[in-house]
Amino acid sequence: DAGVIQSPRHEVTEMGQEVTLRCKPISGHNSLFWYRQTMMRGLELLIYFNNNVPIDDSGMPEDRFSAKMPNASFSTLKIQPSEPRDSAVYFCASAAATGSNQPQHFGDGTRLSIL
Amino acid sequence: GESVGLHLPTLSVQEGDNSIINCAYSNSASDYFIWYKQESGKGPQFIIDIRSNMDKRQGQRVTVLLNKTVKHLSLQIAATQPGDSAVYFCAHELPPNNFNKFYFGSGTKLNVKP
Repeated sequence: DAGVIQSPRHEVTEMGQEVTLRCKPISGHNSLFWYRQTMMRGLELLIYFNNNVPIDDSGMPEDRFSAKMPNASFSTLKIQPSEPRDSAVYFCASAAATGSNQPQHFGDGTRLSIL
Repeated sequence: GESVGLHLPTLSVQEGDNSIINCAYSNSASDYFIWYKQESGKGPQFIIDIRSNMDKRQGQRVTVLLNKTVKHLSLQIAATQPGDSAVYFCAHELPPNNFNKFYFGSGTKLNVKP
C-alpha cells in the first residue's frame, strides 16, 4: 500500500523565495494534517483539512504560510516569502476520519533549509 | 547567542533488555492513545494504539499500558534490538474528534547499546 507521499524530500533555497511543499494522502483518507518539526519546538500542528476543507489553521505561524487542498489526493503548503527561521522538517499526515479512533499516518517529510 | 532546544529525555538500554517508555497526559477526557516511532530522517510511524476502555494491549514485542487514574501511558518493548533506536512519541485524542486530531508529547529518545 502506498503511504503518504511528500515532495520534495529536501529543499534548499534562499530567503525571500517562494517554497511549495506537496503531499499526496493515502487513498480514501479524508483528513489531512500539516506539521512542522524543529529541535526548538518539537512537532507542531500547522493546519488540518477534512474533506478538502480547512478546519483549523490556528497553528499557521504567519500570513506567509498558506495551505490548500484542491482535491482529495493533493495538498500544498506554501511559504512566501521564506525566511531562515522557516527551516525545519515539514510533515504531512492523513487519517480516515470516518468516526474517531483512527491513527494518523505520516509521510517521510520535507527537510527545508532557507539560507 | 546560544540556542536552546527541546531536551528530549533519553533512555539507554542494553540490547536484549526490556525498555519502558513513559508518557503523562493531562486531560482525563482523552479516549484514544497512540505510540509512534520516529527514526532518523523518517516520519513518525504508528506502532500501537489503545482505547480508554482498555488498560493493556499487546502487539509484537510491544505492550501499551494505560492507567487512567493517574493519566499515564507506557510503552514496553521486549528484548530491545538496535533497530528499536528511535524517538518515541505518545499521542492522544480528545472527544469529540471527528477529524482525528491528535496531541503529541515531546518524545523520548531510545538508545540501544549493542
